[in-house]
Amino acid sequence: GEDVEQSLFLSVREGDSSVINCTYTDSSSTYLYWYKQEPGAGLQLLTYIFSNMDMKQDQRLTVLLNKKDKHLSLRIADTQTGDSAIYFCAASETSYDKVIFGPGTSLSVIP
Amino acid sequence: KAGVTQTPRYLIKTRGQQVTLSCSPISGHRSVSWYQQTPGQGLQFLFEYFSETQRNKGNFPGRFSGRQFSNSRSEMNVSTLELGDSALYLCASTSPGRGETQYFGPGTRLLVL
Repeated sequence: GEDVEQSLFLSVREGDSSVINCTYTDSSSTYLYWYKQEPGAGLQLLTYIFSNMDMKQDQRLTVLLNKKDKHLSLRIADTQTGDSAIYFCAASETSYDKVIFGPGTSLSVIP
Repeated sequence: KAGVTQTPRYLIKTRGQQVTLSCSPISGHRSVSWYQQTPGQGLQFLFEYFSETQRNKGNFPGRFSGRQFSNSRSEMNVSTLELGDSALYLCASTSPGRGETQYFGPGTRLLVL
């Protein structure tokens, strides 16, 4: 089955860029997501990319996909203290299929 | 458009009891999925319902069950609660079609004592 891996912790200074990396194993994953979870809260969909895309940009967020290496990254430009949260990489075959989540990367932003 | 709503938001039960959680999807969404989030296991898929039928099921024991009503609202039930069932239970809804994704509710936090 699908397995999604990501580093567990990342610490950056306010104003710097953050890059969170993720790898997945199932090449049939069509939807690749990034979710954000703040303490005590549910999951907020940040952005997603289809497997036939290389890049997607949405304001401060840039998603890069290397389909050959099954590597996904999320870049947050001008990281702010409000970006401190856990970021989950996830994958699914269809929009309604079960979503397989990575363990989450805890992002700490140092003022 | 209102988001996914889940009730109750917090729940405390004791071992052996049963619990029912409710999820109301985004208007027009017919697919509802349930996930369990724990510190040890992370986010795990429970099951997915579409048009009152369970289409997908994760690897959870039979104590975990669900159903969906004709208005797409869904409930999940956990019988004979165990301490390990303490978790955040998240519901997500989606409308089938290219470009649509799953939108999550705020979750129900269940504590089993």
